[in-house]
Parts: sequence; structure tokens; C-alpha cells
Amino acid sequence: NAGVTQTPKFQVLKTGQSMTLQCAQDMNHEYMSWYRQDPGMGLRLIHYSVGAGITDQGEVPNGYNVSRSTTEDFPLRLLSAAPSQTSVYFCASSKGGNYGYTFGSGTRLTVV
Amino acid sequence: GDSVTQMEGPVTLSEEAFLTINCTYTATGYPSLFWYVQYPGEGLQLLLKATKADDKGSNKGFEATYRKETTSFHLEKGSVQVSDSAVYFCALYSGNTPLVFGKGTRLSVIA
Repeated sequence: NAGVTQTPKFQVLKTGQSMTLQCAQDMNHEYMSWYRQDPGMGLRLIHYSVGAGITDQGEVPNGYNVSRSTTEDFPLRLLSAAPSQTSVYFCASSKGGNYGYTFGSGTRLTVV
Repeated sequence: GDSVTQMEGPVTLSEEAFLTINCTYTATGYPSLFWYVQYPGEGLQLLLKATKADDKGSNKGFEATYRKETTSFHLEKGSVQVSDSAVYFCALYSGNTPLVFGKGTRLSVIA
């Protein structure tokens, strides 16, 4: 049981490049979310999904896209990377909000 | 909207000292409340939770009681260890969106 798997763990991008952060869970959780963590800001919600085919925006969605074609996978796409997107990104999943979320180990992204 | 406010750190304690990290919340309805811990270089781990008023969550010597009257969920531990050094996040879930987090409190425990 791997839990929530995020790849890659580290990435450096040039301004304007695009990329996809991968997230997969093997717990058959319906709920999945993406957060970014910045110093002094805590965790801020980017996008979330309550099931396959359903996504919604969180607090800071600009510059990011998501899709949920399967229960297991919830990739996060950066359309045109900007230095302001330098952050640590966490994916999380849950079988229901009251149970709490299981987090991946994160992707540290640097945009230069 | 929903929000969580927790005490700012960093908090530095000597080993075996008593720990309190304050957390208060604003939410519609009756949220579930959580404490998460993040060790250096790692993701967040669920430490404890409480889903209704007066519930006490506990784990690894940490405790927190859901106080509806004061909208609080303070984290406590009677005797901290060096291995407890980490960042602690208070969070809530009210059914509208995924978890809403506080900004985190860094705890350093010195021997």
C-alpha cells in the first residue's frame, strides 16, 4: 500500500515552460486536492476533486490546471511557469473530509 | 469564509517541558478539526482529530479538545522530546471545501 505518490520530488523550470506534477493514490479515495506551501503562508488550496470527472478551484488556482479522469490520478499542470510558482506542492487524498487527508511527500519546484 | 488562526512561532522548549500551541477557528456549521505534523523534508502526517464538540483527540502523547464555546482546538503535550521538533498545523473541514489550514507553528525542542 503506497498511499499517495508524487513525482517528481524536485524540479527546476525556466520561466514560461510547462510541466505536469503527477499524483497517484492507491486507497480508492474519492477526494483529492493540491496544495502549495510557502514560508509563512501555511498550505493554500490550488484545486480539488470530489470524484472522477469533477474538479473545482481552490484559493489560488491561477496558472494551474487539473483533470480527474480516474479515481487514482490527479495531475497538476503548470501552463506557463512563473517565478511566483516556486513552492513546495503537496497532493492529498481522503475517503471523506471528516476522516482527514493523507498527504504525499511533496514536489519542490523552482522556477528561474 | 472558513479560517484557522494558530499561534506564531517559532516555539523553543527544553526537553520534558509542557507544550501548548493555540488554535482558534471560524467556520459555518460544525467543522471537524485536525492537527497535522510536518517533520523536516517530509509531507504532512495526521496527528489527531476531533469531529464534534467536547471530543478529545489524542496520539503519541499529544492531546487537543474541541471547544465549541471558545471555537478552539489547542494542542498540548505534557513532556516534549527532541524528536517532537517539527512544524504543527491546525486545520478544519466544514464540508464546503477540503482542509483549511493555519499557517503552522514551528517547534524546536532542545536537549
